[in-house]
Amino acid sequence: EPEVTQTPSHQVTQMGQEVILRCVPISNHLYFYWYRQILGQKVEFLVSFYNNEISEKSEIFDDQFSVERPDGSNFTLKIRSTKLEDSAMYFCASMRGENTGELFFGEGSRLTVL
Amino acid sequence: AQTVTQSQPEMSVQEAETVTLSCTYDTSESDYYLFWYKQPPSRQMILVIRQEAYKQQNATENRFSVNFQKAAKSFSLKISDSQLGDAAMYFCAYRSYEGGSEKLVFGKGTKLTVNP
Repeated sequence: EPEVTQTPSHQVTQMGQEVILRCVPISNHLYFYWYRQILGQKVEFLVSFYNNEISEKSEIFDDQFSVERPDGSNFTLKIRSTKLEDSAMYFCASMRGENTGELFFGEGSRLTVL
Repeated sequence: AQTVTQSQPEMSVQEAETVTLSCTYDTSESDYYLFWYKQPPSRQMILVIRQEAYKQQNATENRFSVNFQKAAKSFSLKISDSQLGDAAMYFCAYRSYEGGSEKLVFGKGTKLTVNP
């Protein structure tokens, strides 16, 4: 069964460093998402991406964050200058079509900022 | 803004018994989706069951069923004949059907333990 895959599974970085989290969505899906979960808190929406552009973003998704789909398969989340509070589990998700409703999630990338 | 509340941080059930996980939500919209996602330890979230708000009939998927009370804004998940593999975090989620918003709004989750 097709899956959303994410790399790395765990990354430790120093505050102020750039981090890129990678995701390979399911191949025939058209909508792509990043969510994050700070330990002990809710899963929060960061950004949605469709037709090679951001379709919606949350307040969390400030100028430090960017997403792109450079080669038609990978979907990346970049954090330009990490802060301690960026430590979280980051989940990528994809959806086949509008209003199908079902998101397929990856296993997550745990980011630890020291 | 929509909110989703799961009032039970942890629940436990004996194998083969039935358990109900609670979820309430707040919205001013009339059309929306509701979901229950399951996240086993160190695994990805997978969809357990979904409900479209315009459907009056409660969704069922094998041993999983929901009690959707639209007026009360309640969406509980019932797991019948619980199995050890049901042990996981369960997240209730809301998604708007209107207005072009695609984001899921999640509750904080309920950790379900299944005792042999």
